[in-house]
Amino acid sequence: QQQVKQSPQSLIVQKGGISIINCAYENTAFDYFPWYQQFPGKGPALLIAIRPDVSEKKEGRFTISFNKSAKQFSLHIMDSQPGDSATYFCAARVTGNQFYFGTGTSLTVIP
Amino acid sequence: NAGVTQTPKFRVLKTGQSMTLLCAQDMNHEYMYWYRQDPGMGLRLIHYSVGEGTTAKGEVPDGYNVSRLKKQNFLLGLESAAPSQTSVYFCASSYGYNEQFFGPGTRLTVL
Repeated sequence: QQQVKQSPQSLIVQKGGISIINCAYENTAFDYFPWYQQFPGKGPALLIAIRPDVSEKKEGRFTISFNKSAKQFSLHIMDSQPGDSATYFCAARVTGNQFYFGTGTSLTVIP
Repeated sequence: NAGVTQTPKFRVLKTGQSMTLLCAQDMNHEYMYWYRQDPGMGLRLIHYSVGEGTTAKGEVPDGYNVSRLKKQNFLLGLESAAPSQTSVYFCASSYGYNEQFFGPGTRLTVL
């Protein structure tokens, strides 16, 4: 059973557009929600993260929106660039630093 | 700093063979993790360690064993490899409940 459900599986966006990736969860014990970016042949790297007591966090062109009551969170990439083309994973953490990952979204930004 | 390194990068095994994957980190992190990444499944936690001499089961521990004899090293063992263990394996480390740093991955094929 997938603890964190991620959509869409793939996404194609024009350069300059907004990329939006969504994740949903059921376990209310999750206390930390990071997003990871992964380029082909590389390990994932932390992009941005949020805690459930905050509704939004912005770092440059990347924003996490968090809806605690709906148990949903999303990643918004503003002014998407070809260099943003990668696979993005959402994740959620429970006590003990165990992380559950979404299934990933392959983002392609067309020049 | 090399960060997190993994050995080997690629390996092909026959069913029933055994092998050990080595993860090393030079960041003095307490926590270390082993994940497997499969298409459409995201990353799934196999085992993790919260300190030297300690290990714990993650989401998919069956068929794997781990050891953390030194703080900087975390070993993942497959005693009798099966085709279902064909995957890309990632090691990660973190300083407590903070950002996980991932290694470059090991691509394992079991024939």
